[in-house]
Amino acid sequence: DSGVTQTPKHLITATGQRVTLRCSPRSGDLSVYWYQQSLDQGLQFLIHYYNGEERAKGNILERFSAQQFPDLHSELNLSSLELGDSALYFCASRIRQGMNTEAFFGQGTRLTVV
Amino acid sequence: DQQVKQNSPSLSVQEGRISILNCDYTNSMFDYFLWYKKYPAEGPTFLISISSIKDKNEDGRFTVFLNKSAKHLSLHIVPSQPGDSAVYFCAASLNRDDKIIFGKGTRLHILP
Repeated sequence: DSGVTQTPKHLITATGQRVTLRCSPRSGDLSVYWYQQSLDQGLQFLIHYYNGEERAKGNILERFSAQQFPDLHSELNLSSLELGDSALYFCASRIRQGMNTEAFFGQGTRLTVV
Repeated sequence: DQQVKQNSPSLSVQEGRISILNCDYTNSMFDYFLWYKKYPAEGPTFLISISSIKDKNEDGRFTVFLNKSAKHLSLHIVPSQPGDSAVYFCAASLNRDDKIIFGKGTRLHILP
């Protein structure tokens, strides 16, 4: 158990819909990262939050957004969903910015858009 | 622009032998490198890391080597065990902006 919790584990929704994925980082971790893994692809970096503030963006679509709340949990919002958005979405947390330490991953949310 | 590259999608190794997984990167500013292991339907699990000021780090059966001049790192697993069959991801981090960039992964098969 990495200590990072993601909900829900599975999500099936229709095209055009909007969903919210939730991530609770490890206790004390201030950094939260979101990644997308499509079929047989690597982990594509989407966005990074640190202590409530957005720090870096990767290849995140404009239809996607995220936020980190005062209790440090994070949500990834995906809207106007398309079939190609079907993927595994992972959240990872790291103790703090500026320290070279490992990031710990949650079990992921498998999103299926039909 | 793929900054971290794992050019071998898969690798098969006999049980008990050495597994060597390779990774190349393009950004010379990366200062921290990590290896993760992933089983199907699970999140990636951290294996081992190395700072850019070192050229080798060892943890049990796992050793990571870093060649900065070649922008290359490798993960050695000795001896390879059946439970090592998984997808291995190489990742690089830049302390300044804290992003962690992953390669596409290498699927390792340990043969009996």
